[in-house]
Amino acid sequence: AQSVTQLGSHVSVSEGALVLLRCNYSSSVPPYLFWYVQYPNQGLQLLLKYTTGATLVKGINGFEAEFKKSETSFHLTKPSAHMSDAAEYFCVSGTYKYIFGTGTRLKVLA
Amino acid sequence: DAGITQSPRHKVTETGTPVTLRCHQTENHRYMYWYRQDPGHGLRLIHYSYGVKDTDKGEVSDGYSVSRSKTEDFLLTLESATSSQTSVYFCAIRGTSGRGTGELFFGEGSRLTVL
Repeated sequence: AQSVTQLGSHVSVSEGALVLLRCNYSSSVPPYLFWYVQYPNQGLQLLLKYTTGATLVKGINGFEAEFKKSETSFHLTKPSAHMSDAAEYFCVSGTYKYIFGTGTRLKVLA
Repeated sequence: DAGITQSPRHKVTETGTPVTLRCHQTENHRYMYWYRQDPGHGLRLIHYSYGVKDTDKGEVSDGYSVSRSKTEDFLLTLESATSSQTSVYFCAIRGTSGRGTGELFFGEGSRLTVL
């Protein structure tokens, strides 16, 4: 069965530090992969997506992710965290049936 | 704006009562989804639809049924609500054109409390 694993339900970084949120997927066929963000008391917003082609995907707000088929990973990074990045982040896998990871709540320390 | 509206947005009900949540879309998308969001669990797929009268189960379908009698509406029914079904429910559609192809677009959510 398809699954998505996000390592670390809570991650804290200092403002200006690197953000790294980890995601591993399981699928017999490389699926579409996404990162969504949910700010407090708000809906879900797409950060970036991988479908085919270039394995390094750039998204909004300075985020990017790299698709590594050999590692079945799709980790999310941002070089320098900003206070406004505090939110919950979800890794999602699927093409027609979409499965979410359990989420990583990012806290940015001043 | 993917033209998705959910109703009701908030509902409080009692254990054992039936509840129906409605998802309405205005852009003729084929695929529609119902998810529930709970702390520590992320979003879990309940049911999805790939066309009128075509539906399939997700990860947590027990206690839920769905219907799709026309393209624009996807209904989620709790036949006999239980406290474990207290949650925030999100409807989503799968984008089918341009840069939105394959992407999920979400409604604003429906908060259900079962007492």
